[in-house]
Amino acid sequence: DAGVIQSPRHEVTEMGQEVTLRCKPISGHNSLFWYRQTMMRGLELLIYFNNNVPIDDSGMPEDRFSAKMPNASFSTLKIQPSEPRDSAVYFCASSIGQAGNQPQHFGDGTRLSIL
Amino acid sequence: GENVEQHPSTLSVQEGDSAVIKCTYSDSASNYFPWYKQELGKGPQLIIDIRSNVGEKKDQRIAVTLNKTAKHFSLHITETQPEDSAVYFCAVLTNAGKSTFGDGTTLTVKP
Repeated sequence: DAGVIQSPRHEVTEMGQEVTLRCKPISGHNSLFWYRQTMMRGLELLIYFNNNVPIDDSGMPEDRFSAKMPNASFSTLKIQPSEPRDSAVYFCASSIGQAGNQPQHFGDGTRLSIL
Repeated sequence: GENVEQHPSTLSVQEGDSAVIKCTYSDSASNYFPWYKQELGKGPQLIIDIRSNVGEKKDQRIAVTLNKTAKHFSLHITETQPEDSAVYFCAVLTNAGKSTFGDGTTLTVKP
């Protein structure tokens, strides 16, 4: 079975540009999570969806960040405008059922560098 | 919010020895406690998990123990091998789905 698929794997762009990260969850999973990983702050939950509906976006750092899940098989995380401090590895994860007590399966991440 | 502390931050053991990593948490409503292994350039991979109604769970060389009263849980790896070298994260989840991760432990197993 295919795991969580993220694209692109690497992204390098200049400050001020719009960045869009993409995620395809595991088929049949109905919870989806976006995380950011940095050396300074570790692994942080940004937002999660259940049945395509955003449930908790309290981890989204500011209005420059937005996430959508238009259908059960696709989600995007957008940063506009991007800043150097947004440089990090962004992970998407998915799980079955309600988010609270099921294993999350992670993709291999998008390494984002903002120059 | 939830506060998760993970110790130690680095751990070096000789091949064949045991490794123990501990996490404490603050929210008594937390009820799901997974452990993840992350290798370089990869996403975290679930290696074992435990739910709040269980005190211990074992899967071959890996075990997890949970003390809900004291709000701490531990990962135990026995007979360590060089391929166990990685970063290990604990996580704590509430029923509402809020997840908080520890800061990670870099485990090095020396052959």
